Amino acid sequence: QKEVEQDPGPLSVPEGAIVSLNCTYSNSAFQYFMWYRQYSRKGPELLMYTYSSGNKEDGRFTAQVDKSSKYISLFIRDSQPSDSASYLCATTNGGSNYKLTFGKGTLLTVNP
Amino acid sequence: DAGITQSPRHKVTETGTPVTLRCHQTENHRYMYWYRQDPGHGLRLIHYSYGVKDTDKGEVSDGYSVSRSKTEDFLLTLESATSSQTSVYFCAISTGTSGTGELFFGEGSRLTVL
Repeated sequence: QKEVEQDPGPLSVPEGAIVSLNCTYSNSAFQYFMWYRQYSRKGPELLMYTYSSGNKEDGRFTAQVDKSSKYISLFIRDSQPSDSASYLCATTNGGSNYKLTFGKGTLLTVNP
Repeated sequence: DAGITQSPRHKVTETGTPVTLRCHQTENHRYMYWYRQDPGHGLRLIHYSYGVKDTDKGEVSDGYSVSRSKTEDFLLTLESATSSQTSVYFCAISTGTSGTGELFFGEGSRLTVL
């Protein structure tokens, strides 16, 4: 079993929709949870991160972690065509080498 | 902009030839990483470095070697390229803020092995 599982999609939604992206993980030692956004032919960029369980909100984006069920979510409200990208979840146990384990990424298209 | 430059950005080579990809950073961060990204597999860590001449293997290190003789440069070498190494390679750095996992990625190097 891969340590981080993520449905690759693709996911296509109309502009203004609420988008829900999800990952599951298997290693209980993971403590830090991140979402990266990757536009086509670009490198990933950090979008959100959370520590342990709970929610974190940044504008139209909300990251949610449920450590009891090992479930990571990213919600996008009022989705825009500019949100069209691949979204990758990532996690780490916080060790000093900062190694991340990534999900496969979900390709999102927001249609105008 | 984290000041990461990858070169070459695109390369086509033949099976059995050596290939070296270069990652250059301008900010002297300690941690540097090489990932490969493939459809169906996502980003996978090849090797990483935690200082000059200090490197360690990631999950897909077979067939790859790395070197870091200067803080700013991290080289990834394919000694004898194979078609299975056709991929997009990303270099990343960590600013070192404990535990946040904020990696900054380069633009990628697209390698095709014929």
